[in-house]
Amino acid sequence: DIKMTQSPSSVSASVGDRVTITCRASQGFSSKLAWYQQKPGKAPKLLIYAASSLQSGVPSRFSGSGAGIDFTLTITSLQPEDFATYYCQQGDSFPLTFGGGTKVEIK
Amino acid sequence: EVQLLESGGDLVQAGGSLTLSCAASGFSFSSYAMSWVRQAPGKGLEWVSAVGSDGLSFHYADSVKGRFIISKDNSNNILYLQMNSLRAEDTALYYCARPNSPISGTRWFDSWGQGTLVAVSS
Repeated sequence: DIKMTQSPSSVSASVGDRVTITCRASQGFSSKLAWYQQKPGKAPKLLIYAASSLQSGVPSRFSGSGAGIDFTLTITSLQPEDFATYYCQQGDSFPLTFGGGTKVEIK
Repeated sequence: EVQLLESGGDLVQAGGSLTLSCAASGFSFSSYAMSWVRQAPGKGLEWVSAVGSDGLSFHYADSVKGRFIISKDNSNNILYLQMNSLRAEDTALYYCARPNSPISGTRWFDSWGQGTLVAVSS
């Protein structure tokens, strides 16, 4: 099984900040990685798929990069609505696995 | 508009069984593989199971293998998850989820239901 390790587990940031979240896989794979945003009491929302493709309707301040074992989600100019928990997920092989999550909190 | 509506969650005793349903609408259900993803209270996301678009291929997380059975009724646009030998650690909100493309091998999800809560008492 591919284990996904996210860091940091939480980050405090201010509106307008640039935030970077990292996901490291226990074994390398191509670009089959997705990023989700989840707000309390809501279902996850797909932000990025195939490591760097922006899901339709998602603001361009969200971007993804990486391949192999290291992947990154970047939020440029953090907005008030971006305070949430973010998860990576590998789609390379079953069982599909999620990272442990990164909570982005207001500083 | 894509809609996924889960039902069937309940409070059940350890060792018991439960069947979850997910009614799908707004898309060609028979063209898509589908998955169940769960989230224990205050915890992260855990993928549980997937079924191929034709309902003939299955995948399970190790934590549920041998206890849960996923199935897909393409005639009625319903996804099921039959859960047997339930344990306290199965307590979670269970989501059904659809990939963002019907292309085989697409394994990230752009459509989610609102979830149905399963609570297992020990």
